[in-house]
Amino acid sequence: AQSVTQLDSHVSVSEGTPVLLRCNYSSSYSPSLFWYVQHPNKGLQLLLKYTSAATLVKGINGFEAEFKKSETSFHLTKPSAHMSDAAEYFCVVRNAGNNRKLIWGLGTSLAVNP
Amino acid sequence: GAGVSQSPSNKVTEKGKDVELRCDPISGHTALYWYRQSLGQGLEFLIYFQGNSAPDKSGLPSDRFSAERTGGSVSTLTIQRTQQEDSAVYLCASSRRGSTDTQYFGPGTRLTVL
Repeated sequence: AQSVTQLDSHVSVSEGTPVLLRCNYSSSYSPSLFWYVQHPNKGLQLLLKYTSAATLVKGINGFEAEFKKSETSFHLTKPSAHMSDAAEYFCVVRNAGNNRKLIWGLGTSLAVNP
Repeated sequence: GAGVSQSPSNKVTEKGKDVELRCDPISGHTALYWYRQSLGQGLEFLIYFQGNSAPDKSGLPSDRFSAERTGGSVSTLTIQRTQQEDSAVYLCASSRRGSTDTQYFGPGTRLTVL
């Protein structure tokens, strides 16, 4: 069975410093992996996705994530945090195959301090 | 074009009452999902509709929960005899056929059961 673990429930960074949100997954098959972002009082939005193409995936707002099969990780990074990045971030996994259900992590709350 | 819409945005009900939550997907999207997001929890998959196929109901937590999708468009999630543990934000998402990885989310309905 597939699962996803977000290693930090809360991350706090200063504006202009790098962001690292960690995600590990468990999957029996070649997974598709996603990061979604949820800003306060706004709907969930797809940030980026990995579907077995390039292992380094670039998303919106300067975020990127690297798929590392040997480490079963899909960490989300950004070189320089902006105040507007403060939000809840969710790592999501879907197994290749007929099962279309997405398995969601519990989320990481990112705070950006001035 | 318009995104996914949900109504009502907030619903307060008494324990034991039935509630109906509505979702209008993006026009032309054949796939529709319902999720539940409880405080401090990730998204919990409830049910998935794809075109005219039989829905995947494997995520419904009890037989008090049901959903239908009329005409392949609007969907209604019904919770009968509500319990306090049903209090959560109920999210609806839709996606295009063949692109179920990229889901577009509505703003959600916040349900409070007193």
